[in-house]
Amino acid sequence: GESVGLHLPTLSVQEGDNSIINCAYSNSASDYFIWYKQESGKGPQFIIDIRSNMDKRQGQRVTVLLNKTVKHLSLQIAATQPGDSAVYFCAENTYSGGADGLTFGKGTHLIIQP
Amino acid sequence: EAQVTQNPRYLITVTGKKLTVTCSQNMNHEYMSWYRQDPGLGLRQIYYSMNVEVTDKGDVPEGYKVSRKEKRNFPLILESPSPNQTSLYFCASRTWGGGNEQFFGPGTRLTVL
Repeated sequence: GESVGLHLPTLSVQEGDNSIINCAYSNSASDYFIWYKQESGKGPQFIIDIRSNMDKRQGQRVTVLLNKTVKHLSLQIAATQPGDSAVYFCAENTYSGGADGLTFGKGTHLIIQP
Repeated sequence: EAQVTQNPRYLITVTGKKLTVTCSQNMNHEYMSWYRQDPGLGLRQIYYSMNVEVTDKGDVPEGYKVSRKEKRNFPLILESPSPNQTSLYFCASRTWGGGNEQFFGPGTRLTVL
């Protein structure tokens, strides 16, 4: 079946460096791709999304890149801070009849080294 | 403060004892949903509701019920819990114009013995 997954379960980066979290997807019919952040003991928090007809979108300190040719999604976090430590999920959304068809990947744990 | 609240936050129960996890949002959102989160499986949708009195199955609805009698509340009901329903549960909501930004509650950790 269709799935959304992640290349690496854990990513360790130095504070101040840029982080790149990768995600592979298989459903080329998805309408949107989304990144969520989940801190320990909390629910997921929306970071940024990108429509399937775009290849790049920027937010505050974050950039999402979409490569439909190889079905690859990435989240870049600039100047990583201790507060960025969390599990990051990519997700895909396929709208059908107004309802969400949200499918989450399994998550990458981002660890910030001082 | 705009938020999604869930109760209880932690629950240990025994097989077969009916339970309800409540979910409430104060943002006047039309869309609400329930997810379960399990190690190695990520977040999976159980049920969702597009508005009052409108509910539908997600990816893993077996063993669960929901109701949406009021816009702000979306309780999750386990009529006869089993150990395989031990999990971390999240309620989420969003508005129709909110795109992909779902607001998640803090989670309910359920253990069924």
